Amino acid sequence: QKEVEQDPGPLSVPEGAIVSLNCTYSNSAFQYFMWYRQYSRKGPELLMYTYSSGNKEDGRFTAQVDKSSKYISLFIRDSQPSDSATYLCAMRGYSSASKIIFGSGTRLSIRP
Amino acid sequence: DTEVTQTPKHLVMGMTNKKSLKCEQHMGHRAMYWYKQKAKKPPELMFVYSYEKLSINESVPSRFSPECPNSSLLNLHLHALQPEDSALYLCASTTGSRGNTGELFFGEGSRLTVL
Repeated sequence: QKEVEQDPGPLSVPEGAIVSLNCTYSNSAFQYFMWYRQYSRKGPELLMYTYSSGNKEDGRFTAQVDKSSKYISLFIRDSQPSDSATYLCAMRGYSSASKIIFGSGTRLSIRP
Repeated sequence: DTEVTQTPKHLVMGMTNKKSLKCEQHMGHRAMYWYKQKAKKPPELMFVYSYEKLSINESVPSRFSPECPNSSLLNLHLHALQPEDSALYLCASTTGSRGNTGELFFGEGSRLTVL
């Protein structure tokens, strides 16, 4: 079993829809959770990071962490064609020396 | 724009060539990373430098040789590579201090093609 599971997609939704992207994990030591957006042939761009269970909102993006279920989500409201990219979840333990583990990434396409 | 700068953006090299990838950040971060990313795959960790010392080497072949000349610079020296080493090479940095949240900031990457 992989430490972090993420549906690779592709996921295609119409413009304006609410998008839900998810990751599950097995290691209860993970404490920090991140979402990255990666456009084709570019480096990953940090979108959101969270530490505790609960929700964190930034503009059209909401990150949600449920540590009891070992489940994290990223919601995108009012999706735009420019949101079309691969979304990677990532997580690590508390120690600054612990490795960051990435999900496999979900390819998202927003249809105009 | 990313604050982690990588050069060159594209590199084509033969299997007998020696080349280097360079990475620079001026955010005062003390941990720097090299990742390798193949198409449609997540980044794979290669090396981590913490306070200019190599702290993690993920059993990377010796044809890849990292170097951290100072806290702002990170190099990856390449020699006798194989075609299967063709990939996007990503540099990243983070604060590396106690209480670090683990936010990695990536560069745009260097796309390497080995002929």
